[in-house]
Amino acid sequence: KAGVTQTPRYLIKTRGQQVTLSCSPISGHRSVSWYQQTPGQGLQFLFEYFSETQRNKGNFPGRFSGRQFSNSRSEMNVSTLELGDSALYLCASSLAGGLGGYTFGSGTRLTVV
Amino acid sequence: SQKIEQNSEALNIQEGKTATLTCNYTNYSPAYLQWYRQDPGRGPVFLLLIRENEKEKRKERLKVTFDTTLKQSLFHITASQPADSATYLCALGVSGGGADGLTFGKGTHLIIQP
Repeated sequence: KAGVTQTPRYLIKTRGQQVTLSCSPISGHRSVSWYQQTPGQGLQFLFEYFSETQRNKGNFPGRFSGRQFSNSRSEMNVSTLELGDSALYLCASSLAGGLGGYTFGSGTRLTVV
Repeated sequence: SQKIEQNSEALNIQEGKTATLTCNYTNYSPAYLQWYRQDPGRGPVFLLLIRENEKEKRKERLKVTFDTTLKQSLFHITASQPADSATYLCALGVSGGGADGLTFGKGTHLIIQP
């Protein structure tokens, strides 16, 4: 079966711009989580959606937002980009949260210049 | 403050030996712990989950232990192979229902030398 698909794979944006990243979970998976990965901080939890509702949120500023659609596809948005937002953004899906493990996509590499 | 620590330095193991990776945590009461493998340029791949009331889990050449008194998990790969070379991440979940985001350690880079 198809895995978790993230688009685009690479993105270069300018400071102050905004960006939208997309994630298509594994068919049947209703939980979608987003993580930011940087060399210094490692993987950090952004938010989790389940059946179109945000169920949990990490410690990130309000510039980071997300949503989930009725088909479980999810998007995350970062507004007013800063240089420090440069990172690998990973999406993960699961049937119903973490107890069965998460399946991660390959990520979107965002570079802010 | 809450902290998850994994060996920050690379771990070099000879092929065929058992590799043991450590995950220590402080100021957490995890309901479960997961281990993932991550290769360069790829997302993490789920390997094993162990719950707080379980002492040990096995899957093929992999074994995980979980000691909530010591606040430590050990991850073992027996009969290691060069293909096992990767970064291994431990992650804690605090909700018994699984409805929370995972908190990850920064990972240990494992190198299996032929």
